Amino acid sequence: NAGVTQTPKFRILKIGQSMTLQCAQDMNHNYMYWYRQDPGMGLKLIYYSVGAGITDKGEVPNGYNVSRSTTEDFPLRLELAAPSQTSVYFCASSFSVRVAASNSPLHFGNGTRLTVT
Amino acid sequence: AQKITQTQPGMFVQEKEAVTLDCTYDTSDPSYGLFWYKQPSSGEMIFLIYQGSYDQQNATEGRYSLNFQKARKSANLVISASQLGDSAMYFCAMRGGGSNYKLTFGKGTLLTVNP
Repeated sequence: NAGVTQTPKFRILKIGQSMTLQCAQDMNHNYMYWYRQDPGMGLKLIYYSVGAGITDKGEVPNGYNVSRSTTEDFPLRLELAAPSQTSVYFCASSFSVRVAASNSPLHFGNGTRLTVT
Repeated sequence: AQKITQTQPGMFVQEKEAVTLDCTYDTSDPSYGLFWYKQPSSGEMIFLIYQGSYDQQNATEGRYSLNFQKARKSANLVISASQLGDSAMYFCAMRGGGSNYKLTFGKGTLLTVNP
């Protein structure tokens, strides 16, 4: 089982460039998420999706866009990269959650380390 | 909005001893779930243990147990018989507080196991 696959693993961007971080899962999970992790900090939610065609903003959506055309894929688009977007990006997925007390954990990819200079 | 607080930036423990990593949370909702994740130096996020707000007993998974004190809003992770491979960053996270979907994470505790 591949689980959640993120590409690329590493990337260096120049200020103002754009790129797409790819994320795919093969567990038939409806819910998918993008988090960023800054050094010494926890994870902050950028965007999430509860199913194909449905996306919503998290805590820190500015400077990012997402789409969810299929259940499997949830790409994250960075437009006009800025140094503040230097971070490690994690994609995650989970089974559908009916109640907040659901025991369905998030399954994470291995992350993409992005540097903007 | 929910909030997770991990007050220990770093902890040290001797190999084979037990260690407790603290986590407090803030929510007014009766339904929520608490999760612990491990992040080794290689960077991946590994799910360890879950505790639901309605669970009557503390969760256990092998050497991991969760000391859940609902009235105090704390969900401390206990690792018994520490091993060198337990050295990692540990994150407490909560689902609830108005959102059934996302997990809100604390800032983490860096655990170092000394031989």
